[in-house]
Amino acid sequence: QQPVQSPQAVILREGEDAVINCSSSKALYSVHWYRQKHGEAPVFLMILLKGGEQKGHEKISASFNEKKQQSSLYLTASQLSYSGTYFCGTEDTRATNKLIFGTGTLLAVQP
Amino acid sequence: DVKVTQSSRYLVKRTGEKVFLECVQDMDHENMFWYRQDPGLGLRLIYFSYDVKMKEKGDIPEGYSVSREKKERFSLILESASTNQTSMYLCASSLGLISGANVLTFGAGSRLTVL
Repeated sequence: QQPVQSPQAVILREGEDAVINCSSSKALYSVHWYRQKHGEAPVFLMILLKGGEQKGHEKISASFNEKKQQSSLYLTASQLSYSGTYFCGTEDTRATNKLIFGTGTLLAVQP
Repeated sequence: DVKVTQSSRYLVKRTGEKVFLECVQDMDHENMFWYRQDPGLGLRLIYFSYDVKMKEKGDIPEGYSVSREKKERFSLILESASTNQTSMYLCASSLGLISGANVLTFGAGSRLTVL
C-alpha cells in the first residue's frame, strides 16, 4: 500500500517555508525523499533510516518518526529551484531495498 | 555518476502489439527496478530484480513481464499492449547493499502511448 503524502500541492513565494508529510500504514525501515522537476527524472534528496539521525542539506531537511510511521520534509526559505514534485519512498522493516513511493506533492515556488 | 539509460524516450504502439522497454545502467548495480508514473498515482512498482535472471513482482505486475539476462540490462515487456498501459515508465537502479541505504538512480523515462 502506497504511503500517503500531504499536501497534494502547495504554492509558495520565494523565501517562504513548507512542510511535506509522508505517512505509512506499515512499520518502516527507511524513508527516502526524491524531487522530480518537470520533464526530468526523480533525483535523490535524502534518506532516513530507522534509529538513524535526521538528515539535511542546505535548507532542506527531514525527520522520521518511527513510532508514528511518518516522515516530514522541511523546505526553509524556498527558492525557485525548489519547484517540482516531491516523492517519499518507503522501505518496510525487512529492508528489502524495495521502495514504495507516495503519490507525490507538487511544490510551486513563485517569485 | 551512475547513468541509467532508457533506450526510447517516446513510443507509440497499437493495441495488441508486443512492446520492449530497455534499460541499461553502467555502474555495476545489483538492483534494478521498473516503475510506472501516472498523474495522481505517483510511482508504482511493476517489477524489480536483485540479480541476473532473478525477478520479483512489485505492486502492479499484471500485463507485464521482465528480463534480466545481463547485470547491466533490465527489460520491461508488454506482451500485448493495451490502452490502459499508456504511461510514463521509469527504470531505476541501486547498489544492492542490504542496509536500507540504497539510493535509486532513475533513467529519464519512456513515455508510451498505446492507441
